[in-house]
Amino acid sequence: QKEVEQNSGPLSVPEGAIASLNCTYSDRVSQSFFWYRQYSGKSPELIMSIYSNGDKEDGRFTAQLNKASQYVSLLIRDSQPSDSATYLCARRSNDYKLSFGAGTTVTVRA
Amino acid sequence: SAVISQKPSRDICQRGTSLTIQCQVDSQVTMMFWYRQQPGQSLTLIATANQGSEATYESGFVIDKFPISRPNLTFSTLTVSNMSPEDSSIYLCSVETSGRRGSTDTQYFGPGTRLTVL
Repeated sequence: QKEVEQNSGPLSVPEGAIASLNCTYSDRVSQSFFWYRQYSGKSPELIMSIYSNGDKEDGRFTAQLNKASQYVSLLIRDSQPSDSATYLCARRSNDYKLSFGAGTTVTVRA
Repeated sequence: SAVISQKPSRDICQRGTSLTIQCQVDSQVTMMFWYRQQPGQSLTLIATANQGSEATYESGFVIDKFPISRPNLTFSTLTVSNMSPEDSSIYLCSVETSGRRGSTDTQYFGPGTRLTVL
């Protein structure tokens, strides 16, 4: 079993809709999770980090963490064409190493 | 956040040769890492670059193939040795930064080095 499982998509949503991305992880000890956005030909850009159970909101982005169920999700509200990218979830181990999911490619249709 | 630069940004190399990639950070950081992103794939950790000691490699990566230097807290190099077409990837360095009051530790990536091996 991979450490981080992510629905690889692709995910296509109309402009203004909510895009929902999900990730599950296998390590019950994991405490830190990150969502990165990667545009084609660019390096990953940090969007959100989440450490505690529940929701964390930052602008149009909301990260959700459920440690009991071992999943972390990202909601993008009011999706814009500029949100079209690949989104990577990552789990950080206690020694700061990141394990990435496969990435979900999101396309926002104008 | 940290400002990270990498050199070169891209290169095309012949098989059997070696390429050294540099990573420079604008502030001192304790943790630096090297990742590889093969075409169409996600990121895989190669090694942790330890300042003043040998790098710590992940399973499947060895020092002879990917020697790493970390002479100080702002700089590291990764060498891809005896290259083959299978080494064609994007190589990225990342740094872990300590969160300021009210925020948490975070890991940022450099712009990456796109390597093509012919």
